[in-house]
Amino acid sequence: EADIYQTPRYLVIGTGKKITLECSQTMGHDKMYWYQQDPGMELHLIHYSYGVNSTEKGDLSSESTVSRIRTEHFPLTLESARPSHTSQYLCASSGGARAEAFFGQGTRLTVV
Amino acid sequence: GDSVTQMEGPVTLSEEAFLTINCTYTATGYPSLFWYVQYPGEGLQLLLKATKADDKGSNKGFEATYRKETTSFHLEKGSVQVSDSAVYFCALSSHIIFGKGTRLHILP
Repeated sequence: EADIYQTPRYLVIGTGKKITLECSQTMGHDKMYWYQQDPGMELHLIHYSYGVNSTEKGDLSSESTVSRIRTEHFPLTLESARPSHTSQYLCASSGGARAEAFFGQGTRLTVV
Repeated sequence: GDSVTQMEGPVTLSEEAFLTINCTYTATGYPSLFWYVQYPGEGLQLLLKATKADDKGSNKGFEATYRKETTSFHLEKGSVQVSDSAVYFCALSSHIIFGKGTRLHILP
């Protein structure tokens, strides 16, 4: 069983609010990822990290930011939520260059 | 650059039918290849993997063979069940590259 956790599972929030989506893993993986996905649809990589103090933007333009101060923790922050941010956000981690990724259960975000 | 091209869905089959979902890739070096499955309301789960050419990954009756000569990693199952209904994603080991996903519906 994968040891990667996302909180909250579901979030409904008003436009303009600041939110942080949490992601933690206990596997000691260096690589961590955030994806945006409309349910059952294509995954879009929005941020990734290859270790502490290393973060990169993915292919999908995003108004979110991430930080990687500790190996196990990779939170994603939206400074000002908008209805266009309504989606599912998936966090994942992997160890080693050729290893599989483990995914969290996802956070379903609705901005009203 | 690296890429994954995956068969578009939805794919609808009757129970006990044979399944093939095509996946081809372009990559520099020698990536590992993966199939992930996503059930409704869930994150992605690893279904199977192959780490080098000619390796066959298998799990839950699903199989895929890493074909370097055709740059393919097609997913197959001999007899599908209603419980196999899900979205399937092919991926490279960078995990920056996923296919667009194939939705599978199995009719009883």
